[in-house]
Amino acid sequence: DAGVTQSPTHLIKTRGQQVTLRCSPKSGHDTVSWYQQALGQGPQFIFQYYEEEERQRGNFPDRFSGHQFPNYSSELNVNALWLGDSALYLCASSLAGAKQFFGPGTRLTVL
Amino acid sequence: QKEVEQNSGPLSVPEGAIASLNCTYSDRGSQSFFWYRQYSGKSPELIMSIYSNGDKEDGRFTAQLNKASQYVSLLIRDSQPSDSATYLCAVLTGGFKTIFGAGTRLFVKA
Repeated sequence: DAGVTQSPTHLIKTRGQQVTLRCSPKSGHDTVSWYQQALGQGPQFIFQYYEEEERQRGNFPDRFSGHQFPNYSSELNVNALWLGDSALYLCASSLAGAKQFFGPGTRLTVL
Repeated sequence: QKEVEQNSGPLSVPEGAIASLNCTYSDRGSQSFFWYRQYSGKSPELIMSIYSNGDKEDGRFTAQLNKASQYVSLLIRDSQPSDSATYLCAVLTGGFKTIFGAGTRLFVKA
């Protein structure tokens, strides 16, 4: 039974660029949430996708957007990257938003 | 006031002792509570969930919830060096948003 997978593992971008991160949920899960985790902090909720729609959003600017596909996989897009976007980006999947299981994360570095 | 507060630690306990980790939350409407373990450089791993007042035990772990006091705790019995990690308290709010604390670093000394 495959767990949550994310790609890529690491990414280096420069300020102003755009990035797309990808997530495949655990088998049987229908809900995907994205989190940003800065060093020494807990994960911060970006948004959650269910039935291909964003159903709740955290305190993140519109530069952060996402998408969920019919197979429940999801993408996180970040536009106009700045240094403060450097973090570990985590995807978590769940069944109907209950217990969440995290993927390994994507480490984004913005130079 | 932060929505989910944890003592950042580090909490240091000797091998075999009980480690006690605490968390308070501000949203009285919260119904679901979780503890995650995160090793350095890794992603969080779910270790306990609790939904009603009282204690819930799973192996060496016991989660305790007191909604009146807005307090959640995690006890780790017979602590092992492999338990050394950051423990994250997470609270599912009235909507679909899960709020995490900043985590408590635990060191178990052999």
